[in-house]
Amino acid sequence: SQQGEEDPQALSIQEGENATMNCSYKTSINNLQWYRQNSGRGLVHLILIRSNEREKHSGRLRVTLDTSKKSSSLLITASRAADTASYFCATDGNDMRFGAGTRLTVKP
Amino acid sequence: GAVVSQHPSRVICKSGTSVKIECRSLDFQATTMFWYRQFPKQSLMLMATSNEGSKATYEQGVEKDKFLINHASLTLSTLTVTSAHPEDSSFYICSAEGRGVMNTEAFFGQGTRLTVV
Repeated sequence: SQQGEEDPQALSIQEGENATMNCSYKTSINNLQWYRQNSGRGLVHLILIRSNEREKHSGRLRVTLDTSKKSSSLLITASRAADTASYFCATDGNDMRFGAGTRLTVKP
Repeated sequence: GAVVSQHPSRVICKSGTSVKIECRSLDFQATTMFWYRQFPKQSLMLMATSNEGSKATYEQGVEKDKFLINHASLTLSTLTVTSAHPEDSSFYICSAEGRGVMNTEAFFGQGTRLTVV
């Protein structure tokens, strides 16, 4: 069964706006990872946050992790049309589990 | 939502034997299947991409003769690890992308934990 559950399932914004996606999970984890995928392409690893970390930044990406609430968020600032993709969170406990993903559309 | 079934979830095999992992899309036609592996505490590594009816495209460094991928139908893809060795022990996961899928691009199987002894 899937572990991470992303929210929302679909998100449509204008270029320049920020996009926030959330992920909730159920069991304890070692780390949580965010990936993106464009149609027909494999996953691209974006960022990994460990269970003892609360926030992490990478360029325009900001990830937070709240282990007490078993949730994480991915913020993409100043979005671009090229950010249009599906975004998945994956929790890494004993095995990796993926959520259903958030489909982000950034309109130019 | 769309479901991808992957099995077995765990397998232990002896060195030198072959192991087949199946990935099925249960309620949509998977035009593209991705196979990944993950070493402990690392991110996923894409192994290969397969489109239904054609040969898989392998990523650099992945031995195509060792990791045989078959995508003969729109609902089934298989990964066979041939002549497995302990270093092949890993977590393998598939994802499927296809027609009739709403919202997100792909859905993931539950993964297979392979242990070669």
